[in-house]
Amino acid sequence: GAGVSQTPSNKVTEKGKYVELRCDPISGHTALYWYRQSLGQGPEFLIYFQGTGAADDSGLPNDRFFAVRPEGSVSTLKIQRTERGDSAVYLCASSLMIGDGQFFGPGTRLTVL
Amino acid sequence: QQQVKQSPQSLIVQKGGISIINCAYENTAFDYFPWYQQFPGKGPALLIAIRPDVSEKKEGRFTISFNKSAKQFSLHIMDSQPGDSATYFCAAGAGANNLFFGTGTRLTVIP
Repeated sequence: GAGVSQTPSNKVTEKGKYVELRCDPISGHTALYWYRQSLGQGPEFLIYFQGTGAADDSGLPNDRFFAVRPEGSVSTLKIQRTERGDSAVYLCASSLMIGDGQFFGPGTRLTVL
Repeated sequence: QQQVKQSPQSLIVQKGGISIINCAYENTAFDYFPWYQQFPGKGPALLIAIRPDVSEKKEGRFTISFNKSAKQFSLHIMDSQPGDSATYFCAAGAGANNLFFGTGTRLTVIP
């Protein structure tokens, strides 16, 4: 498995519930990015990490969204009190270092009923 | 506010033809311009990228042309093949950190 992996591939939840989406970056990649892609649109930036710290979280839509990367590898995107408008494909990408090309995972399709 | 504008929305090309997709940006701080290919149900795959110190970059059948003064860049796919049928996204960023993506072009290559 040389690529970025994301789990689960699909997540269906009910409005108001809490969800966690996981991303395993390419081994050795120090930078990790989260994007959200709505149907028929391009990916929209959410947050990126350099190592363990969030270097830029300006894309997070509100305080219901939070992401962590405690050991500088795997990252988890957490969404509290989900809303129907949160339904989208959540994409994770990693790059060797900040400023290098970003390689995307297959995404997690989140559906909020 | 769309930071990167992409056209056309869809494109149909005959096999062997040239596919051309255009993008424009406003933010002069952008210094990294990648193109991604996305198949249904898959994540975007990095195809080719350019920085503003060059006006053209070619990798196989894919070429990026970059016009810094016009703040425009385009993707040319030479000898287009049915397997190239996918959605293509241009993107732009400052320092290749958070990328701003276009709205995508759905390319169909007819055999």
